[in-house]
Amino acid sequence: QVHLVESGGGVVHPGRSLRLSCAASGFVFGEYGMNWVRQSPGKGLEWVAVISHDGSKRKYAESVEGRFSVSRDNSKNTVYLEMNSLSAEDTALYFCAKDRLIWFGESYGMDVWGQGTTVIVST
Amino acid sequence: DIQMTQSPSSVSASVGDRVVITCRASQDISSWLAWYRQKPGKAPELLIYAGTSLYTGVPSRFSGRVSGTEFTLTISSLQPEDFATYFCQQASTFPWTFGQGTKVDVK
Repeated sequence: QVHLVESGGGVVHPGRSLRLSCAASGFVFGEYGMNWVRQSPGKGLEWVAVISHDGSKRKYAESVEGRFSVSRDNSKNTVYLEMNSLSAEDTALYFCAKDRLIWFGESYGMDVWGQGTTVIVST
Repeated sequence: DIQMTQSPSSVSASVGDRVVITCRASQDISSWLAWYRQKPGKAPELLIYAGTSLYTGVPSRFSGRVSGTEFTLTISSLQPEDFATYFCQQASTFPWTFGQGTKVDVK
């Protein structure tokens, strides 16, 4: 059974850091690009970052560029999101999602999603 | 960045109704568009990819159409599990961008 499980969310003060993890199972993890997508309370979906199947390519949303870093460990079937300099605007439910990239730029969509982990940035 | 304009923002419908949701891209994305359904409190689910292709296991009441930069998702006969929010996503060029969402609720 194909599965993604996020962890690492929590309540953090503004300016601090947090690392999210996403553990995959049920598919050949090292063959697929992986995304992070977030959703603020009651709002829409915002794509955050993507990493290629082998970790050699990464892209970020402008809103997190320079503060967030995506990485992966294919030996552990896990993708990570390192978040620095957090602000209230980063408060959201963070999903990881498996991408059906054709190449690093066109895709058949994100077909497997985790249930998300909540990040709250607050004093 | 490519902007995705989705409409309507909400629609009230009954079981058995036909529902049509539209997304317009701010520039040419060919057919690189996906549609998702998100039930309350759940993660999104992929319904349609490449504009018109039904993802594995998705009921045939869902269909997608492409006309230039305009994309439509049609639910031919709304079922109880379809009361949810729907999002389009362009999958042509990074950064991936989503439409604002369409909430389908009970009339």
